[in-house]
Amino acid sequence: QVQLQESGPGLVKPSETLSLICTVSGGSISNYYWSWIRQPPGKGPEWIGSIHYSGNTNYNPSLKSRVTISVDTSKKQFSLKLSSVTAADTAVYFCARRGSYYDTVGYYYFDYWGPGTLVTVSS
Amino acid sequence: DIHMTQSPSSLSASVGDRVTITCRANQSIKKYLNWYQQKPGKAPKLLIYAASSLQSGVPSRFRSSGSETDFTLTISSLQPEDFATYYCQQSYSIPWTFGQGTKVEIK
Repeated sequence: QVQLQESGPGLVKPSETLSLICTVSGGSISNYYWSWIRQPPGKGPEWIGSIHYSGNTNYNPSLKSRVTISVDTSKKQFSLKLSSVTAADTAVYFCARRGSYYDTVGYYYFDYWGPGTLVTVSS
Repeated sequence: DIHMTQSPSSLSASVGDRVTITCRANQSIKKYLNWYQQKPGKAPKLLIYAASSLQSGVPSRFRSSGSETDFTLTISSLQPEDFATYYCQQSYSIPWTFGQGTKVEIK
């Protein structure tokens, strides 16, 4: 059973960089895309970006200028860096696996999630 | 960005009721539509992918249909463990986007 676990500071000061790591266990990190998703209090989830185990990335254009996602396959970890944070970046941050299903085309979804970690941006 | 709109935002229902939630996209997303269930303090859980395919382990009382812009999630007989918030999500184009959620509460 694949398990994901987020780790990192729960409090970040405005203008600083938010850094989180997701550790994957119970399965291979290879052959999948791995994603970061956040959810502000009381709101719906927002996809931040995804990374393939090979290093290929896709980012949400609304955050692209501030986001870096990287992967370390030897440690079975991938990480998120979000720079120049403001109070609007306060949210629960989830890491997730992008699963896929193929018939004539490929369908993608988030099938395994970490429990999430609350990151508060405040001085 | 593709905007996903769910209705209603919340509903009250009783155990055993049939519940229907609607998700509408502001452009065609063919069948690139997923449904998730989220309970308080927990991560979302995948219920349905590709508009109508039931994720392994999800009870058959959860059904979904639709294509292009209009989709429906139906719970045929609401169970106590189904009280939660439900989100739709499109995977047709980046950025992948979610609906604002539908909260199913106990009447």
